[in-house]
Amino acid sequence: AQKITQTQPGMFVQEKEAVTLDCTYDTSDPSYGLFWYKQPSSGEMIFLIYQGSYDQQNATEGRYSLNFQKARKSANLVISASQLGDSAMYFCAMRTSGNQFYFGTGTSLTVIP
Amino acid sequence: EAQVTQNPRYLITVTGKKLTVTCSQNMNHEYMSWYRQDPGLGLRQIYYSMNVEVTDKGDVPEGYKVSRKEKRNFPLILESPSPNQTSLYFCASSLTGGNANVLTFGAGSRLTVL
Repeated sequence: AQKITQTQPGMFVQEKEAVTLDCTYDTSDPSYGLFWYKQPSSGEMIFLIYQGSYDQQNATEGRYSLNFQKARKSANLVISASQLGDSAMYFCAMRTSGNQFYFGTGTSLTVIP
Repeated sequence: EAQVTQNPRYLITVTGKKLTVTCSQNMNHEYMSWYRQDPGLGLRQIYYSMNVEVTDKGDVPEGYKVSRKEKRNFPLILESPSPNQTSLYFCASSLTGGNANVLTFGAGSRLTVL
C-alpha cells in the first residue's frame, strides 16, 4: 500500500534555529518522487522541494534541504535559520509512477521569536 | 500569470443539490487532479486526469465525478452532495513525463453541505 506518514502533528522552533520535519513513505514502486509543500494560514499550497527516487544527492533549495534516506524510506525536510514566516503547515507528498499522489497528514510548525 | 483557477472559492449548499466546482489552468498542463483536505487527514486525491478524455480514480472517488473534455478544464461534480463532503477542495495541475513534475495548486474551494 502506498502511504506517507508524518508523525509530528506540531513542532516549535526558535527563530534562527534549524528544524527537521519527519516524513516516511511506503511504496513498492521503484520510481517515485517526493515533495514538500507549505500551507500558510492563508491556505494556498506552496511547493518547496523535490527529491527523485533515483537521485543520489539530497535536494536543496535555499534554506530547505531534504534528507533522503532511501533504505529507511524517509524524506525529512530540514529548514535552516527559521524565520517567523516559516510558521505554517507542512505536507510531505509522494508521486508514484502511476501518477497518483499521496500526502501525509501534515506538521504544523510554529516559529517562536 | 501561470495559474490554476477554481470557482467558487466558498459555497454553502444543502444535501442532494447538485453542484460543480470548476477548475481551469493556463499552463498547457496535461495532468490535472482534485484533492480534498480534512483536518487530521491531510490531502487525499479524489480523481486525476492524464490528458483529455482520460480520467482515473484516486483514493477517495466515491460521491464525485469528473470530466476532461478540454485540456485546460477539469470540473469536479457532486451529483448529490452529503454533509460528509464538507471539506476544502483543491485542484492542481502539472506536466507529465516524469515524477519530477511539480503540482501547481489552485487557491482552494471551501464547501459546506448542510
